[in-house]
Amino acid sequence: DGGITQSPKYLFRKEGQNVTLSCEQNLNHDAMYWYRQDPGQGLRLIYYSQIVNDFQKGDIAEGYSVSREKKESFPLTVTSAQKNPTAFYLCASSTVQFFSNQPQHFGDGTRLSIL
Amino acid sequence: DQQVKQNSPSLSVQEGRISILNCDYTNSMFDYFLWYKKYPAEGPTFLISISSIKDKNEDGRFTVFLNKSAKHLSLHIVPSQPGDSAVYFCAAATGTASKLTFGTGTRLQVTL
Repeated sequence: DGGITQSPKYLFRKEGQNVTLSCEQNLNHDAMYWYRQDPGQGLRLIYYSQIVNDFQKGDIAEGYSVSREKKESFPLTVTSAQKNPTAFYLCASSTVQFFSNQPQHFGDGTRLSIL
Repeated sequence: DQQVKQNSPSLSVQEGRISILNCDYTNSMFDYFLWYKKYPAEGPTFLISISSIKDKNEDGRFTVFLNKSAKHLSLHIVPSQPGDSAVYFCAAATGTASKLTFGTGTRLQVTL
């Protein structure tokens, strides 16, 4: 089945540690995205990439980094510079041309908690 | 500045009745709108969308209405079912840009 796989589902981080969240898709989508969801808030865009080896900052990129070395993969690193990293992280993908019948598809998320 | 707003954090509706979820936006450049449904600890799933050239789009029990002059859209679910209980997010995009701006969500509870 085609889809988006995020791993792990739950992740714990010690203060001062960097941690990397995995996102893999087999939908052959060019664009991939990372969002963060906090309680009572909508999804906020962290980074997105429309093509391999290129990515752009979203609305809340500070304290995060990404890479896009392969079309299928878009890992997100939460660095120690991110002061409030505890959240639910969602990865999504889509075609670049945004047609009405081709919306963003989401993975099931990774919940990151600080120990 | 919240460009997409869902002013009702929660809504309770009886099974079989109509659920109406509302969304307002401020950016007049938005021309494509979507509704997503989300269960706890899962990713959002796409429900229905509408482009700004239309004022209504229907898919089974789900209908989205767009009022461009009021910068308002709504999602109607008829009839509501217990399985519809979830958080619903409204999202908007500009042109062919694939970047979405999400609202804060409305939690719908469908009671028996």
